[in-house]
Amino acid sequence: EAGVTQFPSHSVIEKGQTVTLRCDPISGHDNLYWYRRVMGKEIKFLLHFVKESKQDESGMPNNRFLAERTGGTYSTLKVQPAELEDSGVYFCASSQDPDSRGTEAFFGQGTRLTVV
Amino acid sequence: GENVEQHPSTLSVQEGDSAVIKCTYSDSASNYFPWYKQELGKGPQLIIDIRSNVGEKKDQRIAVTLNKTAKHFSLHITETQPEDSAVYFCAANRANRDDKIIFGKGTRLHILP
Repeated sequence: EAGVTQFPSHSVIEKGQTVTLRCDPISGHDNLYWYRRVMGKEIKFLLHFVKESKQDESGMPNNRFLAERTGGTYSTLKVQPAELEDSGVYFCASSQDPDSRGTEAFFGQGTRLTVV
Repeated sequence: GENVEQHPSTLSVQEGDSAVIKCTYSDSASNYFPWYKQELGKGPQLIIDIRSNVGEKKDQRIAVTLNKTAKHFSLHITETQPEDSAVYFCAANRANRDDKIIFGKGTRLHILP
């Protein structure tokens, strides 16, 4: 079974540019999460999809961040325009409906975003 | 909201010795406590978890303890090996579909030869 995959693995962009990160969750997982880790700090929640619906987007830093999950499969996270403080590692995770298998979340390898 | 504190931030132990990482949480409604291991270039991987209805869980060299009254939980690694070197994150969650995982800041564990 394929795990959670993220693209790209690294991205270096200039301040003011746009970047789109992609996450393909494990097939059949309804829950999809985006997290971000700024160097040396905790992994912070950004938002949570249940299928194609945004369940919780309380962690999104500001309106420069836009997440979508059309069709309830893969998800994209767009940052436009990017700022220096957006640099960090962006993780995606997915899990099945907790009523069936608990809340174990599987993480992708992350996208390291560097804004210069 | 939930807040998870994790200590220490860095830990070095001699190979073969034990390592202990401690966490506290603030939300008494949290009932699921996973631990993740992150190796270089990889995403966090679940290594063990514990639910609030048990006080201890063990899986080979790894064990986790939970004190709900004190809101403390700890990870214990015995007979440490070089491959245990990684960043470890504790986390807390309310184990329903509406809740995200709240992570600690991580502990970088170095196993010394």
